[in-house]
Amino acid sequence: DAGVTQSPTHLIKTRGQQVTLRCSPKSGHDTVSWYQQALGQGPQFIFQYYEEEERQRGNFPDRFSGHQFPNYSSELNVNALLLGDSALYLCASSARDREGQPQHFGDGTRLSIL
Amino acid sequence: AQSVAQPEDQVNVAEGNPLTVKCTYSVSGNPYLFWYVQYPNRGLQFLLKYITGDNLVKGSYGFEAEFNKSQTSFHLKKPSALVSDSALYFCAVRPPFTGGGNKLTFGTGTQLKVEL
Repeated sequence: DAGVTQSPTHLIKTRGQQVTLRCSPKSGHDTVSWYQQALGQGPQFIFQYYEEEERQRGNFPDRFSGHQFPNYSSELNVNALLLGDSALYLCASSARDREGQPQHFGDGTRLSIL
Repeated sequence: AQSVAQPEDQVNVAEGNPLTVKCTYSVSGNPYLFWYVQYPNRGLQFLLKYITGDNLVKGSYGFEAEFNKSQTSFHLKKPSALVSDSALYFCAVRPPFTGGGNKLTFGTGTQLKVEL
């Protein structure tokens, strides 16, 4: 049973560019959340998707957008990259009908902005 | 708004000794509380959770945590530490399900170092 998978594992971009990160949830999960973890910090919630719509959003600018596909996989898009966007981006999945169950995390995408 | 505080950036303990990693929280209503562990260059791995019921919850790898509502704390404990327990530990909180999502709020993390 595959867990949460994310791609790519590492990415290097320059300021002003755009990036797309991908996530496949754990089998049986229908909800995907994205978190940003800056160096030395705890993960910060970006947004959550289920039923192909953004349902909850953290304190991130509109440069951060996402999408969920019918197979529950998800993409995180970041436009006009800034140096401060350098971080580990974590995807987590869960099942809406299993209240209280923990979110399962992937190993993340390490994004470096030059 | 919900928040989590992990007052110690680092905890050092000798192998075989008990360990405690501290966490306090703030949330409206009865909290859902979680502990996760992160090894270098990896994602977060779930250890244990408190939803309701017994204040002492047991989780993976011999870890346990005690929920204290009056002190709004959820400290992580292990009776006998192993060198392999050395990692970064995160406490997280979320409010009960409201139909609007299950956003987790994390603390800043505590680096646990277990030495021989």
